[in-house]
This record gives sequence, C-alpha cells and structure tokens, in this order.
Amino acid sequence: QQQVKQSPQSLIVQKGGISIINCAYENTAFDYFPWYQQFPGKGPALLIAIRPDVSEKKEGRFTISFNKSAKQFSLHIMDSQPGDSATYFCAAQRTGGSNYKLTFGKGTLLTVNP
Amino acid sequence: ETGVTQTPRHLVMGMTNKKSLKCEQHLGHNAMYWYKQSAKKPLELMFVYNFKEQTENNSVPSRFSPECPNSSHLFLHLHTLQPEDSALYLCASSHVQVYEQYFGPGTRLTVT
Repeated sequence: QQQVKQSPQSLIVQKGGISIINCAYENTAFDYFPWYQQFPGKGPALLIAIRPDVSEKKEGRFTISFNKSAKQFSLHIMDSQPGDSATYFCAAQRTGGSNYKLTFGKGTLLTVNP
Repeated sequence: ETGVTQTPRHLVMGMTNKKSLKCEQHLGHNAMYWYKQSAKKPLELMFVYNFKEQTENNSVPSRFSPECPNSSHLFLHLHTLQPEDSALYLCASSHVQVYEQYFGPGTRLTVT
C-alpha cells in the first residue's frame, strides 16, 4: 500500500516557467510534509516543509500548497532554472512517537530546459 | 568533515561476501536512519536508532544487520546478499525532537 502518491513521474519545463509537482496521502495522522531535492550522486536535501495548520508556505521561488480536506499537497517552483533540474520527493511524517519515520513518494524527475 | 558522510561510495560484492557500510554524522544529532533507494520505488526506511537504541526495524531481512555504537556512527553489515539488494543505501540523521532529517550521499551497492 503506497501511502504517499506523487505525480508526475517526470516533468520538462522551459526556463522561467512554473514547475508543479503533486502529492496525495492517505494517513490522516501525518502532520509534517517535507519536500526533498536530490541531485545525481547526492543524498536528498530538505527543500521546504509545511505543517497542516497552514495552507501555503513560500520560501523564495519554492511554494508548498496544502489542502487538508483533500489530503493533497503540491510544490510550485516559480521562474524555474536549469539548476533546479533534479529529482524531487514529497514525504509525510507522523511526528509523535519514538521515531520520526518519513514516508516518501516515488519522486519526480524535473528537467528545466535553457 | 561536515554533515553526514558515508563510506564507501561504491561497493560491488558477490552473493557470498561479507561487507559493511559506514555512516558518520558531524551534526550533533541523536537519531540515525538507514534507507534503501531502488529505481522506480520510493525511498524505503530500513532501520531507526534513537540514542543508540534501535526503535524501528521495517521488516528488513536478516542478511542486513545494523550496528550503532554511538550517536555519531552507524554501520550496516551485509552478508549473503541477493542481486535484488542492489540499490543506493542512504544514511540520515536528526535530532530526536526535531523533524528534519539530513542525508548522506549514499553508498551505491551492486550485488553480482
């Protein structure tokens, strides 16, 4: 059972365009939703994260939109640049308990053409 | 060294070999994690250690054996692996009370 569904699998955007990646989750106990960025040969790096008490969070060109009732959240990359080309993973986490287990989506390979 | 380091970065081993992966975090964290990243599959959590104590074993086969001698070091001992175990193995760390996890660059494992 895949608890976090991510789409699309791959995305090609022109420089300056908007990249949008969507995720949906099933477990209503999740209360922390990070996005990770992974370049080839590197481990995932935390990009931006949101808690369900807000509907949007913006950091520079990156924005998370969160819809609690629909159990969906998305990453928007404004003014996409070739340097943004990477694999993006959404994740969900239940922060109570003795460990902070991240459940990941399958990833989206973003290519930004110059 | 800064952040989370992993050695070796690449490993090729036969099915009858025994090898170990090493992870070291330089962030003062007290929780460490092993993840498996395979092509076309989500990142899979394997093990979690909080303050050197294992708190999660995500139904991982016994041919993978973790060891956490202290809060800064984490090992994954490998023996009699299968070709389907070929993957990128990622180590991560965090503070127990803080959500953000920091990943190392991974070890690319190929089982022949």
